[in-house]
Amino acid sequence: QVQLQESGPGLVKPSQTLSLTCTVSGGSISSGSYYWSWIRQPAGKGLEWIGRIYTSGSTNYNPSLKSRVTISVDTSKNQFSLKLSSVTAADTAVYYCARSDWNYVDYWGQGTLVTVSS
Amino acid sequence: DIQMTQSPSSVSASVGDRVTITCRASQGISSWLAWYQQKPGKAPKLLIYAASSLQSGVPSRFSGSGSGTDFTLTISSLQPEDFATYYCQQANSFPPTFGPGTKVDIK
Repeated sequence: QVQLQESGPGLVKPSQTLSLTCTVSGGSISSGSYYWSWIRQPAGKGLEWIGRIYTSGSTNYNPSLKSRVTISVDTSKNQFSLKLSSVTAADTAVYYCARSDWNYVDYWGQGTLVTVSS
Repeated sequence: DIQMTQSPSSVSASVGDRVTITCRASQGISSWLAWYQQKPGKAPKLLIYAASSLQSGVPSRFSGSGSGTDFTLTISSLQPEDFATYYCQQANSFPPTFGPGTKVDIK
């Protein structure tokens, strides 16, 4: 059973960079043909796909965030990471890491709340 | 991006009721559609993929149909654990986009 767990600061100051890591257990991040994604959800609102990284290392980013997003993978640690730069209050949300088979998410992390505030 | 809409935005129903939620895409997406269930404070859970395929472990009272731009999620007999918010998501193109959600609550 694959499990994903997000980690990182819960509070980030405006204009700084949000950094989160997702640790995958129960399977190798390098095996299979899966995408490893970040998805966020502001409180009381809907879901927004931030971006994803394939096992080969290739990435796809949401055009609305592309200029500020970097997703990377560390196969030795079975982790992948999100960096979102120049954050504002609008980036306050629960951030989920997830595994997807093409564009269907079959495993999700529990989510971590990141608040942007000074 | 492909825009997704859902109706109704909320529905009040009783245990045992049949509940139908509709989802519409702003352009044709063939059968590239998923349905997720989300309970408060929890991550979404995949119920249906490819418009009508039931994810492993999901009860058979959940079913999906449709293709092109119009899709439906049906819960044949609502159970207490089904009270939640349901989201559709197009999987046709990147970025995948979600509908605004339909909240199913107790009548």
